[in-house]
Amino acid sequence: DQQVKQNSPSLSVQEGRISILNCDYTNSMFDYFLWYKKYPAEGPTFLISISSIKDKNEDGRFTVFLNKSAKHLSLHIVPSQPGDSAVYFCAASASDSWGKLQFGAGTQVVVTP
Amino acid sequence: DTEVTQTPKHLVMGMTNKKSLKCEQHMGHRAMYWYKQKAKKPPELMFVYSYEKLSINESVPSRFSPECPNSSLLNLHLHALQPEDSALYLCASSQEGSSNNEQFFGPGTRLTVL
Repeated sequence: DQQVKQNSPSLSVQEGRISILNCDYTNSMFDYFLWYKKYPAEGPTFLISISSIKDKNEDGRFTVFLNKSAKHLSLHIVPSQPGDSAVYFCAASASDSWGKLQFGAGTQVVVTP
Repeated sequence: DTEVTQTPKHLVMGMTNKKSLKCEQHMGHRAMYWYKQKAKKPPELMFVYSYEKLSINESVPSRFSPECPNSSLLNLHLHALQPEDSALYLCASSQEGSSNNEQFFGPGTRLTVL
């Protein structure tokens, strides 16, 4: 039972343009959401997170938006750079399940020159 | 030091072998995790240690045996594995009791069971 879903397995975007990655969740108990980036042969690297009490969090080129009513979040990367080419995982956790991160299946982003 | 290290990077073992995966962090984190990741799938939680005590076991078969000798080290002992256990094994750590669950991951051990 996949509680966190990333329905786009891949995304191709031109350098300098905006990348938008989407994530949906089904568990209304989730109250903390994270995005991780993963290069081949490396572990996931934390990018940005958002608490359910907020609807937006921004860190440099990365912005995460949370729509609780729709159980949807998105990651915006602008401008996209070639080094952003990686797999991006959305993850969610609930306060009453500390330590348990539920990951989405990931979206492969390719930034083309 | 914001790094989680894992050894070995690659491991090939037979179904009758006994081997161990090792993980180390020096960030002062008191929670450590083992995840299993199959190709093109998300990481799946296996075990969580909190203050060197096992706090979560996600119904992992007993052929996987975790150990936390101290707050910086985490081991995963492997015995009588099956070919379907071949996967990338990721270790992670985080601050105990932090308001978020930001976990720092190691590079993983690529395990092949023959």
